[in-house]
Amino acid sequence: GQNIDQPTEMTATEGAIVQINCTYQTSGFNGLFWYQQHAGEAPTFLSYNVLDGLEEKGRFSSFLSRSKGYSYLLLKELQMKDSASYLCAGPFYNQGGKLIFGQGTELSVKP
Amino acid sequence: GAGVSQSPRYKVAKRGQDVALRCDPISGHVSLFWYQQSLWQGPEFLTYFQNEAQLDKSGLPSDRFFAERPEGSVSTLKIQRTQQEDSAVYLCASSLGGTGNEQFFGPGTRLTVL
Repeated sequence: GQNIDQPTEMTATEGAIVQINCTYQTSGFNGLFWYQQHAGEAPTFLSYNVLDGLEEKGRFSSFLSRSKGYSYLLLKELQMKDSASYLCAGPFYNQGGKLIFGQGTELSVKP
Repeated sequence: GAGVSQSPRYKVAKRGQDVALRCDPISGHVSLFWYQQSLWQGPEFLTYFQNEAQLDKSGLPSDRFFAERPEGSVSTLKIQRTQQEDSAVYLCASSLGGTGNEQFFGPGTRLTVL
């Protein structure tokens, strides 16, 4: 299978750092996406990792370990507007680019 | 606007009715995807087009679901004889094509079947 797992929900404090983990079965894996989705809105692209390591993009960073089937999204200097669902998703070889999504992690940022 | 658009944004149907959901992808995007998203779940793949060719329809839940993209641009997802379990948000996404290209999502159509 190509299961992708992530925690259902997390809570963090404004100004803090939070790490959202994602694990997946490595068979056929070809990179990993992170999307942000606010309630009632479309998912928006955050990052795409295809090589091992950390990629930093402003307050958001994404990490990938292909051998471990593991990724995380790191959010720094949390703001209230970061309250949203964070979706990890994988494209797989020979699958035409379709994405297999995890169930999403609902992040609540509290003052 | 240059983004992906979908219509209608909301649709209420009586059980047994047929519905048609429209997606206008970003101009020039080769690939088009349909996903179904239920409450508190991630999107689930339904079907995929490359230009006008439907290359993967493995995610369509039953033969009541049908999608087309006749001219390689606008796509329509049709659901016949709707059932209550069809109630969900239907998301359309487009990309330049190939694995690893960012998919741009439309706002979705929220379908409620009574």
